[in-house]
Amino acid sequence: KNQVEQSPQSLIILEGKNCTLQCNYTVSPFSNLRWYKQDTGRGPVSLTIMTFSENTKSNGRYTATLDADTKQSSLHITASQLSDSASYICVGTLKSPQLLHEKLTFGTGTRLTIIP
Amino acid sequence: DSGVTQTPKHLITATGQRVTLRCSPRSGDLSVYWYQQSLDQGLQFLIQYYNGEERAKGNILERFSAQQFPDLHSELNLSSLELGDSALYFCASSVAGDGHLRGQYFGPGTRLTVT
Repeated sequence: KNQVEQSPQSLIILEGKNCTLQCNYTVSPFSNLRWYKQDTGRGPVSLTIMTFSENTKSNGRYTATLDADTKQSSLHITASQLSDSASYICVGTLKSPQLLHEKLTFGTGTRLTIIP
Repeated sequence: DSGVTQTPKHLITATGQRVTLRCSPRSGDLSVYWYQQSLDQGLQFLIQYYNGEERAKGNILERFSAQQFPDLHSELNLSSLELGDSALYFCASSVAGDGHLRGQYFGPGTRLTVT
């Protein structure tokens, strides 16, 4: 069964601190792993997309890692800002020859709150 | 701004009623996806259309239906509404065959409240 599990469920940190969010996935056949940021009541916005051969990708203060062997990914946020308060969603994508398009499996997200 | 538009922004209706949500994809995108997000829940994939044809089905109820028109905009129809249908409904679009590199682009969502 294709699954994406994220931890922690919620996290509160002080402004300026770093944090790391975790994602474990069982998605087969694996195509790519995505991280989205979703502000409350808004649509998700893509942060990073990593394929099998990529083990790290950065987008500003966001750095995602991927370990295809252990099927784990992390999202590291450096020097957090108040605007980083949001839900961060990990998405595993599979694609097989039988599928013309990819199938996405969403995690339930980590709710991050940055306090001043 | 993702380039994906959804209308209306908010919708309040009573149980048993029927509503239609509308989505216009980004210019050039052929695929449209519909998602439901209930309070404190993850995104649940409902259905995908590609160039007017249904491509993939997720956890979509029989009371719900969708279609994609020749101009590529899409509509999600929800009927016999129940209290549990209250949620945010997101539309996303992607470039066919290139979606895995560029990802999906999400609209701002329609908040449906069933009373």
